[in-house]
Amino acid sequence: RKEVEQDPGPFNVPEGATVAFNCTYSNSASQSFFWYRQDCRKEPKLLMSVYSSGNEDGRFTAQLNRASQYISLLIRDSKLSDSATYLCVVNTYYGGSQGNLIFGKGTKLSVKP
Amino acid sequence: NAGVTQTPKFQVLKTGQSMTLQCAQDMNHEYMSWYRQDPGMGLRLIHYSVGAGITDQGEVPNGYNVSRSTTEDFPLRLLSAAPSQTSVYFCASSFSGELFFGEGSRLTVL
Repeated sequence: RKEVEQDPGPFNVPEGATVAFNCTYSNSASQSFFWYRQDCRKEPKLLMSVYSSGNEDGRFTAQLNRASQYISLLIRDSKLSDSATYLCVVNTYYGGSQGNLIFGKGTKLSVKP
Repeated sequence: NAGVTQTPKFQVLKTGQSMTLQCAQDMNHEYMSWYRQDPGMGLRLIHYSVGAGITDQGEVPNGYNVSRSTTEDFPLRLLSAAPSQTSVYFCASSFSGELFFGEGSRLTVL
């Protein structure tokens, strides 16, 4: 089983749709979780961290399920500008040591007019 | 703010040539790292550094060297380029969990 797995997509959705991505991780010792966004031919940028209790940032909601070892990202009211690849990132050590950051291969989202 | 600056943005090399990808950050971050990104693959860690004078290997270190003489700079050296090193390379620095990436360097090895 790969360490961090994502559905590669692409997810093709109309504007205004709600779309959800899941990401599973294999290491039960993983302690911190992130979603990054990467636009075509650009660098990844942090979208949001994922907290144990779940967290929301505007139209974006992130959830963590430790028992089933997956995290999710929900995007409501999709905009054309949400079109990008969304990367799931898992860190085995909380905070400091970055040497154990594992990136998923990404899920591509395409929002159509 | 410049953030993380990588040079060059594009480079074509012949097999066996050597070169250095430069990376500089102005955020005073202790942690810096190099990733490569290939089609169909996730970002893979090449080398990382937790501070000046300290470096360590990541997942795919073979064929690459790094050094960290200052907090600001973290160059990546390709010793003898091979076609398998054709990739997009990202340098990143980090404070408290968030990675800040440079714009990437697209390297083609013929």
